Amino acid sequence: GQQVMQIPQYQHVQEGEDFTTYCNSSTTLSNIQWYKQRPGGHPVFLIQLVKSGEVKKQKRLTFQFGEAKKNSSLHITATQTTDVGTYFCAGPNTGGFKTIFGAGTRLFVKA
Amino acid sequence: DTEVTQTPKHLVMGMTNKKSLKCEQHMGHRAMYWYKQKAKKPPELMFVYSYEKLSINESVPSRFSPECPNSSLLNLHLHALQPEDSALYLCASSQARTSLAGEETQYFGPGTRLLVL
Repeated sequence: GQQVMQIPQYQHVQEGEDFTTYCNSSTTLSNIQWYKQRPGGHPVFLIQLVKSGEVKKQKRLTFQFGEAKKNSSLHITATQTTDVGTYFCAGPNTGGFKTIFGAGTRLFVKA
Repeated sequence: DTEVTQTPKHLVMGMTNKKSLKCEQHMGHRAMYWYKQKAKKPPELMFVYSYEKLSINESVPSRFSPECPNSSLLNLHLHALQPEDSALYLCASSQARTSLAGEETQYFGPGTRLLVL
């Protein structure tokens, strides 16, 4: 069946270092969404990418959607302790009837 | 108002109890969702309501019974749960601009942390 894979599973960084998480789908996606879940919290929508090759920035966060619309990345520049949490990518399943989440990447930031 | 609210925040119940989880949104969204999330795992879809009608049931056991009384409210009735049902239960909503729930941005509530003893 359709899969959305995300790597790495977790990453430890020193505050100020950069961080990237990668998302790969087994099928072409019409869009990809990114969510952040703080420890003890709930998923919070960050962004949706729709166009092939699209790049969007939110302050220190840069999101990319691959040309083939099968992969995406989230890059954080100069991490801060407030960036701690799990980052999920998500996309519609074949047919678009529901959202499939990647396994998530847990980010740990050491001050 | 971009908030989805859920009550209660925490719930402890025995395997013979009956309880209900409640979710409310006032964003005018017409699609609402129940997800189950285990620790260190992604949210797992349980049910989708679109325009107050159940559109997706992900083969969820009948001990979970959803209800959508109106476009702002979503309930999840729990009966005879098992300890393995202990999890964070998340409600979400989306605009339902199309009939394709997977295409939509979802707004999550804070969840109910459920412990079944």
